[in-house]
Amino acid sequence: DTGVSQDPRHKITKRGQNVTFRCDPISEHNRLYWYRQTLGQGPEFLTYFQNEAQLEKSRLLSDRFSAERPKGSFSTLEIQRTEQGDSAMYLCASSLLRGVRDTQYFGPGTRLTVL
Amino acid sequence: GQSLEQPSEVTAVEGAIVQINCTYQTSGFYGLSWYQQHDGGAPTFLSYNALDGLEETGRFSSFLSRSDSYGYLLLQELQMKDSASYFCAPVTGGGNKLTFGTGTQLKVEL
Repeated sequence: DTGVSQDPRHKITKRGQNVTFRCDPISEHNRLYWYRQTLGQGPEFLTYFQNEAQLEKSRLLSDRFSAERPKGSFSTLEIQRTEQGDSAMYLCASSLLRGVRDTQYFGPGTRLTVL
Repeated sequence: GQSLEQPSEVTAVEGAIVQINCTYQTSGFYGLSWYQQHDGGAPTFLSYNALDGLEETGRFSSFLSRSDSYGYLLLQELQMKDSASYFCAPVTGGGNKLTFGTGTQLKVEL
């Protein structure tokens, strides 16, 4: 399967702990996006990369959140000092920008539960 | 400011046609995407309209009117497997980021 993959699929942690999620995009996709989705809501944009450069971060992304895409391939999203409000599905999407158009393909997500 | 409106729920019978409307207000608008999401699943891309008019992809069609800030998704020959949430998502900004609302939950009944 050559789709977007995310690891882990589920993560349960205690409040105050740090967690890290990984996203492997579709090969050769130059853009990678992170979204967060809570129950009954649509995904909310968090941040995106073009190759290894992080080009935009949402105001939703507090200082406790950091994302990297060191070699322009996989990406990690780290949440420090987790809070119960961080419980959500974290979705990664990738796309290949051609001109001004790209289509985002989503991974299966990592479901985070903070106790 | 930004706003996005879709009906919260739509119910239809198998074999029927259903239209899900979407009105939006946003800056830096490039186009309108539609995604399908089954419970517990990831959003799946359905369609994208950059220009006014109708785009057809199999049983699904999507329409956009930029002047009216309005679009719709048309699903024909409904099947039970079409029961899912459907999101219209304006594409905005240099990053082509998607803005999702709360979506429309479609229930297909026998």
